[in-house]
Amino acid sequence: DSGVTQTPKHLITATGQRVTLRCSPRSGDLSVYWYQQSLDQGLQFLIQYYNGEERAKGNILERFSAQQFPDLHSELNLSSLELGDSALYFCASSVGGAGGFSYEQYFGPGTRLTVT
Amino acid sequence: AQSVAQPEDQVNVAEGNPLTVKCTYSVSGNPYLFWYVQYPNRGLQFLLKYITGDNLVKGSYGFEAEFNKSQTSFHLKKPSALVSDSALYFCAVRAPGGATNKLIFGTGTLLAVQP
Repeated sequence: DSGVTQTPKHLITATGQRVTLRCSPRSGDLSVYWYQQSLDQGLQFLIQYYNGEERAKGNILERFSAQQFPDLHSELNLSSLELGDSALYFCASSVGGAGGFSYEQYFGPGTRLTVT
Repeated sequence: AQSVAQPEDQVNVAEGNPLTVKCTYSVSGNPYLFWYVQYPNRGLQFLLKYITGDNLVKGSYGFEAEFNKSQTSFHLKKPSALVSDSALYFCAVRAPGGATNKLIFGTGTLLAVQP
């Protein structure tokens, strides 16, 4: 168990809908990362937050947004869902966020999103 | 831009034999390199990392990896494979410095260990 929790585990929804994925980082970790894993795209970095502030953006669609709250948990919001958004969404956390150090990231179990 | 390549989609090895999962990288400057493992229906688990120092890095579950700067490689190895090592393995790279710690992952290599 990595200490990173994600809810829900599974989500089935229809095209055009909006969903929210939740992540709680390991105790003491200030950075939260979101990744998308799909068969055709592999593991793709979406976005990073560090202590409540956005730190980096990756291949995140405009229909997607995220935030990190004062208690450091994070939410990923996916709207106007399309069939192609079906994927496994992972949250990861690390102690630090950048700089000269490289902190390993610890991953949650993921949320499997199915868009029908 | 940094990138990682895992040239083998699948590696098959018999239990008890040594295993190698290959990874090459492209990054400006000295890289930070990682290996993760993913078991079915599970999240990624950190195995080991190379930041600096000794080119041979030891990690969890008896795995180790060798950093080779001239060949820009970071191959994962284990002297004696177990059936329980069967899983999906990801190599990842992070460029040093910068404002983010984000990881760039390879496409993954499925390791199948036959009893």
